[in-house]
This record gives sequence, C-alpha cells and structure tokens, in this order.
Amino acid sequence: AQKITQTQPGMFVQEKEAVTLDCTYDTSDQSYGLFWYKQPSSGEMIFLIYQGSYDEQNATEGRYSLNFQKARKSANLVISASQLGDSAMYFCAMRGTDSWGKFQFGAGTQVVVTP
Amino acid sequence: DSGVTQTPKHLITATGQRVTLRCSPRSGDLSVYWYQQSLDQGLQFLIQYYNGEERAKGNILERFSAQQFPDLHSELNLSSLELGDSALYFCASSTSGITDTQYFGPGTRLTVL
Repeated sequence: AQKITQTQPGMFVQEKEAVTLDCTYDTSDQSYGLFWYKQPSSGEMIFLIYQGSYDEQNATEGRYSLNFQKARKSANLVISASQLGDSAMYFCAMRGTDSWGKFQFGAGTQVVVTP
Repeated sequence: DSGVTQTPKHLITATGQRVTLRCSPRSGDLSVYWYQQSLDQGLQFLIQYYNGEERAKGNILERFSAQQFPDLHSELNLSSLELGDSALYFCASSTSGITDTQYFGPGTRLTVL
C-alpha cells in the first residue's frame, strides 16, 4: 500500500522568500513517480513538477524544485522567490508502476503569501 | 488550460437523483481518471480507464459507475445521490497511464440538497 504524508496543514510566507513544503511517502513499489500539484482557490489542479524514483538529479521547473531524498522517502517542494499568486493549496502525490496509474494524494498544505 | 474539459461546471440536485458527469481528455491521451475531492475525505481516486477498458479501481461506491467511450471521452454516473456525495469531481488524463503525468480538468462541483 502507498501512503503520502504532508505534515504541514498551513503556512504563511512573505513575498520574495523561499518556502519548503514537506512530503514523505511510503511504498513497496520498486519504481514510482512523485508529483506536486497546486490548487488555487478557483479549484483547478495545476501540475507543477515530477520526480521519478530512478532520477539521479532533483527535478526543477522554473521557481519550483523538488528536494528528493530517496533513502529518507521524502520529496519536498521548494518554491523560490514566492509571489502573491503562489497562495494556494499544494498537494504531493505519488504513483507506483505496480499500481497502474492510481495516484495517492497527501492531505495538502495551504500556503498564504503575504506582502 | 490543461486541455481536459469537464461538463457541467456546477450541478445542483436532490437526494435520490442520478447525474452524469462528462470528461474529454487531452488530445492523444488514452487514460482517464476520476477523483472525488471533499472536505472530510480529501482527494480520492475513484477509477481509471485506459483506451476504453477499466484499469484500476479506487474508493468508488457501488452507486457510482463510469465508462470510457470509443472516442475516449468518459462519463461518471452517480446514482441514488446522498448529501455526502456533494464534492468536487475531477477528471484527469494521461498518455499511457503508468508513469506519466496526469493533467486535471477544471472539475464539476456537485451539490446534493
């Protein structure tokens, strides 16, 4: 069985600062993918970044980077230079190749960016 | 815009009724997924179809059913609706369904009164 844990229900961050959102996972799959999604108040789910379990380098997409520590089973999202538009709920998700597409989502972390 | 479309955007209905939610995947995507997002349960995977066939099942109630048609659009049918079925229902699509990213539609907000 797979499990995703996001321990931070909410956090405030000042504009232009960096923020790290924690995500730990548990799986018995040998190969898996880790994903982060953003859900603004409008409701849509926006894909941010992906990390494969066999990728040797941490994924980066613009201001988003994923701090992947396989031995610790963590996949933290780092948002650099926060902007007001980054205020949203952020979800960590994973899928194992033995799970045929089933995504397991964490509970989410609400981020509020203040001026 | 993810390229995934869902209709309707909002749906208000009464307990005991039946509704159909529709999803059109991104062009070229063969896999369609349905999720339910509620305040108390979070984001829950319901079911996945790949090229017309059911591939994976999650926490889908027996009152709910889905199918994927030859043109790859999908429908989620919810019957004998209860107050607790009020939620945001997402459809997502991906190319093959194993390791690739899922792109989500805007969701259908269902309110059961």
